[in-house]
Amino acid sequence: SQTIHQWPATLVQPVGSPLSLECTVEGTSNPNLYWYRQAAGRGLQLLFYSIGIDQISSEVPQNLSASRPQDRQFILSSKKLLLSDSGFYLCAWSYRGDTEAFFGQGTRLTVV
Amino acid sequence: GENVEQHPSTLSVQEGDSAVIKCTYSDSASNYFPWYKQELGKRPQLIIDIRSNVGEKKDQRIAVTLNKTAKHFSLHITETQPEDSAVYFCAAAGRGAGGTSYGKLTFGQGTILTVHP
Repeated sequence: SQTIHQWPATLVQPVGSPLSLECTVEGTSNPNLYWYRQAAGRGLQLLFYSIGIDQISSEVPQNLSASRPQDRQFILSSKKLLLSDSGFYLCAWSYRGDTEAFFGQGTRLTVV
Repeated sequence: GENVEQHPSTLSVQEGDSAVIKCTYSDSASNYFPWYKQELGKRPQLIIDIRSNVGEKKDQRIAVTLNKTAKHFSLHITETQPEDSAVYFCAAAGRGAGGTSYGKLTFGQGTILTVHP
């Protein structure tokens, strides 16, 4: 069966520090991969999506970047965090085409 | 790109009543519409979905209806129970460049459903 792992579960980082959140998927090949952000427990905003290695689309201009160095690995990064980067970050995967997205456990990021 | 609007933002019902949440979407090419339930502090999980080739789908107490002409779809929960209390999200699979979709989901803002015993 397919599983998605996302870590860490919680993170407190000072303003201006770097960020690296990692997500891996097991049990499937060539998944679509996504990073969403959820502020204040509402509204899932799509940040990045990827259809293959090194193929990443950014949905909104922001202080974040994403990379996909391997087929089932998706990384969310920032060089310098802002207070506004605080939120609940969710990684997700889906099969190709219009199908259900499966979410990871999420990372609650607090920038202080 | 796709834009999804969801209403109401909060919904409070008595146990046993029905609850209805409505969404509209902007991209007429979208053809997949899932609904997710998210409990406090947890990940969203799919509860039901519908594709554009059908107008209604039902799974026990949950049903979804789709009107492609009007570009809106709705979630119906009957005989609500306290454990139905959660945030519910609708979503639509939009289209990327060249008309391809890649399964990219755009979500509504969510509805906080509270079911009072």
